Amino acid sequence: DSGVTQTPKHLITATGQRVTLRCSPRSGDLSVYWYQQSLDQGLQFLIQYYNGEERAKGNILERFSAQQFPDLHSELNLSSLELGDSALYFCASSVGQGWGTEAFFGQGTRLTVV
Amino acid sequence: TQLLEQSPQFLSIQEGENLTVYCNSSSVFSSLQWYRQEPGEGPVLLVTVVTGGEVKKLKRLTFQFGDARKDSSLHITAAQPGDTGLYLCAGGSGGYQKVTFGTGTKLQVIP
Repeated sequence: DSGVTQTPKHLITATGQRVTLRCSPRSGDLSVYWYQQSLDQGLQFLIQYYNGEERAKGNILERFSAQQFPDLHSELNLSSLELGDSALYFCASSVGQGWGTEAFFGQGTRLTVV
Repeated sequence: TQLLEQSPQFLSIQEGENLTVYCNSSSVFSSLQWYRQEPGEGPVLLVTVVTGGEVKKLKRLTFQFGDARKDSSLHITAAQPGDTGLYLCAGGSGGYQKVTFGTGTKLQVIP
């Protein structure tokens, strides 16, 4: 158990819909990261928040947005969903914010768009 | 765009055999990480290498960072079924906006 909690574990939704994925970081961790893992694209970094502020942006689509709340939990919002958005979405957390800091991953949310 | 190519893509070996996984790029990274991911789980960090030419050992696993900090290798001695999983390398420099994950190596160790 990494200490990072993601909900829900599985999500099935239709194209065009909007969903929200939730992440609770490890106690004491200020950084939260979101990743997408698909068969064709592999693991891709989406976005990082540190203590409530956006720190780095990766390959995140404009239809996707995220935020980190004062209690440090984070949400990833995916809208106008397409079949190609079907993937595993991971959240990770770490104490620090720079590349190289050890990050701990949650078990992921498997999103299926039908 | 920074790319990290891993080879081989798939590896199925018998328990007790040795193996090496490679992670190659044309880009220079300030550090490189190796992860192992088991089915249904998130990746777990195995090691971070920072200095060109650095070698780190973790029990039966040996990690090496290339002198030019563009490539890395993971060597497993006497593989065990518990080593089965997806091995990922990840390289970055500075902030996370340029983090790149490798294409992955799926390892199966047969008892």
